[in-house]
Amino acid sequence: DAGVTQSPTHLIKTRGQQVTLRCSPKSGHDTVSWYQQALGQGPQFIFQYYEEEERQRGNFPDRFSGHQFPNYSSELNVNALLLGDSALYLCASSRIIAGGSTDTQYFGPGTRLTVL
Amino acid sequence: RKEVEQDPGPFNVPEGATVAFNCTYSNSASQSFFWYRQDCRKEPKLLMSVYSSGNEDGRFTAQLNRASQYISLLIRDSKLSDSATYLCVVLGSNYQLIWGAGTKLIIKP
Repeated sequence: DAGVTQSPTHLIKTRGQQVTLRCSPKSGHDTVSWYQQALGQGPQFIFQYYEEEERQRGNFPDRFSGHQFPNYSSELNVNALLLGDSALYLCASSRIIAGGSTDTQYFGPGTRLTVL
Repeated sequence: RKEVEQDPGPFNVPEGATVAFNCTYSNSASQSFFWYRQDCRKEPKLLMSVYSSGNEDGRFTAQLNRASQYISLLIRDSKLSDSATYLCVVLGSNYQLIWGAGTKLIIKP
């Protein structure tokens, strides 16, 4: 049973460019959450996708957008990259449980994005 | 004030010692609490959930104090392999996970 997978593992971009990161959830999971983790900080919630729709969103600008596909995999898109977007981008998958909350989140290895 | 606060450390502890971390949270409506462990340049991994009555998993004990709005993690008989950053996580009322910045633990031989 494969866990959460992410691609690519590392990426280098320049300011103003656009980037797409990909995530495949753990088998049996239907919810994908994306986080940004800057060096020395805890992960910051970007957004969560369930049933191909954005379910929750953190305090990130519209430059950050996403998508979830029918097979539950997900993409994170960042437009007009800034130097401050350099971080580890983590994807976590989980299942929706009774009451609308989610079960334990399992993380992928992350994509390390460097913006020059 | 941050929603979840932790002492960043580092905590330098000799092997075999007992070490404890605290984490405070600001939203009294928070319902679920977790400790995650993160090794350098790796993804966070769930260490344990924190239950109201407190819970233990081997050498690890987690406690919740709702009145004072803090959770704690106690590690007994520390091993070199316990060296990592320990992240305190709170599930907010809108089902978002809110993370502390982590406490770095270094176990020395």
